[in-house]
Amino acid sequence: GQNIDQPTEMTATEGAIVQINCTYQTSGFNGLFWYQQHAGEAPTFLSYNVLDGLEEKGRFSSFLSRSKGYSYLLLKELQMKDSASYLCAVYNQGGKLIFGQGTELSVKP
Amino acid sequence: ETGVTQTPRHLVMGMTNKKSLKCEQHLGHNAMYWYKQSAKKPLELMFVYSLEERVENNSVPSRFSPECPNSSHLFLHLHTLQPEDSALYLCASSQDLTPPRRYFGAGTRLSVL
Repeated sequence: GQNIDQPTEMTATEGAIVQINCTYQTSGFNGLFWYQQHAGEAPTFLSYNVLDGLEEKGRFSSFLSRSKGYSYLLLKELQMKDSASYLCAVYNQGGKLIFGQGTELSVKP
Repeated sequence: ETGVTQTPRHLVMGMTNKKSLKCEQHLGHNAMYWYKQSAKKPLELMFVYSLEERVENNSVPSRFSPECPNSSHLFLHLHTLQPEDSALYLCASSQDLTPPRRYFGAGTRLSVL
């Protein structure tokens, strides 16, 4: 079966660092996406990891371990505008893009 | 602005109504998708079109009928819906079926009374 797990909700403080985890069990693996979705808006692309390791893009970083079926999204220097839902999605060997349920992040002052 | 525009943004309809959702992409992409997003649930893929041909239909009830007249436009025709069909309906596009990066519209929030 296809299974992607991420926490439903997280809360963090402005200026802090937060890590959003995603674990997956899928039919093969070709890559992992992270999307950000603000309420009432389109999901927007954050990152795509194919190989193991950490990729950094400004305040956001994404990590992948294929052997562990695990990824995380790291957000540094949190801002109020980072309050959003974060979607993890795996591109499996059958060419399907499988989404997790999303993690609702609330950033408090 | 993601280059994918959906209208209307909000829709309330009765169970006997017929309505249509519209999606337009300005990215020159060849593949388009309909997804259903319900609260606390993963995005569910409904339909996939590539070069105006339907290539995937994921066991979606026949009360949802897609139409893709050209590679820039995608419609979802709705009739005799049920209250459990209330959800956010997202349209997306990609350059082709691969690479897999999706460009999403902001969605239509549908409420079925």
